[in-house]
Amino acid sequence: DAGVTQSPTHLIKTRGQQVTLRCSPKSGHDTVSWYQQALGQGPQFIFQYYEEEERQRGNFPDRFSGHQFPNYSSELNVNALLLGDSALYLCASSRGVLYEQYFGPGTRLTVT
Amino acid sequence: GENVEQHPSTLSVQEGDSAVIKCTYSDSASNYFPWYKQELGKRPQLIIDIRSNVGEKKDQRIAVTLNKTAKHFSLHITETQPEDSAVYFCAASKGGKLIFGQGTELSVKP
Repeated sequence: DAGVTQSPTHLIKTRGQQVTLRCSPKSGHDTVSWYQQALGQGPQFIFQYYEEEERQRGNFPDRFSGHQFPNYSSELNVNALLLGDSALYLCASSRGVLYEQYFGPGTRLTVT
Repeated sequence: GENVEQHPSTLSVQEGDSAVIKCTYSDSASNYFPWYKQELGKRPQLIIDIRSNVGEKKDQRIAVTLNKTAKHFSLHITETQPEDSAVYFCAASKGGKLIFGQGTELSVKP
């Protein structure tokens, strides 16, 4: 039984570019949440998707957007990249919005 | 706004000793409190959690306590082992949104 998977593992982009990160949830899970983890800090909540809808959103600008597909996989899109967007982006899946969240390995994004 | 304070930021213990990490949350509506262990370069791993209708939960060497009145919760690790060395994060949740503490770097010396 595969756990949460994310792609790509690493990504290097230039300021102003756009990026798309992907997440496949654990089998049996229907909810995906995205987090940004800066070096040496705890993860910060970006948003959560359930039934293909953005259910909750953290304090992130509109440059951060997402999508959930009918198979429950999800994408995180970031437009007009800034140097400060460099971080580890984690997705977590759960069996419903109120249940335990299990994290993927993350995508390390570097913006130069 | 929502906030979780975690202490200490670093903790060093001898193998076999106990370790305690404490967190305080601001939103009294929070009702779910998980703890994650993150080894260097790895994903956060859920190690134990507690819901607001329970005061204490134990799983082998790990226990979590919750004081809703004081809005405090703590992680207790007994008989620590070198493989317990990692960064530990507490989190508080309302409606599925996890708010994390800043993390505690635990070092267990053999």
